[in-house]
Amino acid sequence: DIILTQSPESLAVSLGERATVTCKSNQSLLHKNKKYLGWYQQRRGQPPKLLISWASTRESGVPDRFTGSGSGPDFNLTISNLQVEDVAVYYCQHYYSPPLSFGGGTKVEIK
Amino acid sequence: DVQLVQSGAEVRKPGESLKISCTGSGYAFSNFWIGWVRQLPGRGLDWMGIIFPANGQTSYSPAFQGHISISADKSISTAYLQWASLRASDTAIYYCARSDRPRELYVMDVWGLGTSVTVSS
Repeated sequence: DIILTQSPESLAVSLGERATVTCKSNQSLLHKNKKYLGWYQQRRGQPPKLLISWASTRESGVPDRFTGSGSGPDFNLTISNLQVEDVAVYYCQHYYSPPLSFGGGTKVEIK
Repeated sequence: DVQLVQSGAEVRKPGESLKISCTGSGYAFSNFWIGWVRQLPGRGLDWMGIIFPANGQTSYSPAFQGHISISADKSISTAYLQWASLRASDTAIYYCARSDRPRELYVMDVWGLGTSVTVSS
């Protein structure tokens, strides 16, 4: 099974600064030149919200301060110009093959 | 609007059975994989399993295989998550979510609001 390891577990960033979350996979997520990795945001008391698919494709309506990068085994989610509404837990998930799995999550807070 | 509406909060005793539901609307329910995700109190997301409503094909996480059952009734656009014998450790919020492409198992683009399940004697 594919295991995703996220780091750090939490980070505190000043408003307007940059936050970077890393997700490391123990297996390749590359198939037919596509990277089968997504990123989700979960604010307190809400269900997860899809931010990014295919490692770097932003969903419609997601602010462009959210950027996904990487090609494996390390993938990154970068939040530029951190805003108050970005306080949340962020998860990576692979969809390469079942069982799909999530990373452990990274809590992003305001410093 | 595409949405998934989940059934309400449940309280059960250990050993009891339970079936919670997830009803889709605004899209061709049968053609999109529906998955279930557990979130223990204060913890992360655990992928439990998934079903393709058109033919009932399922896939389970090894961590949940044998303890849960996932089913669907495409005639009423509803997927189900079921336990035959609950444990206290099943206390959690359970989310259903839809794969974002028809017939393919990809990222989950639409999520239900979650069903809270409390198992306590």
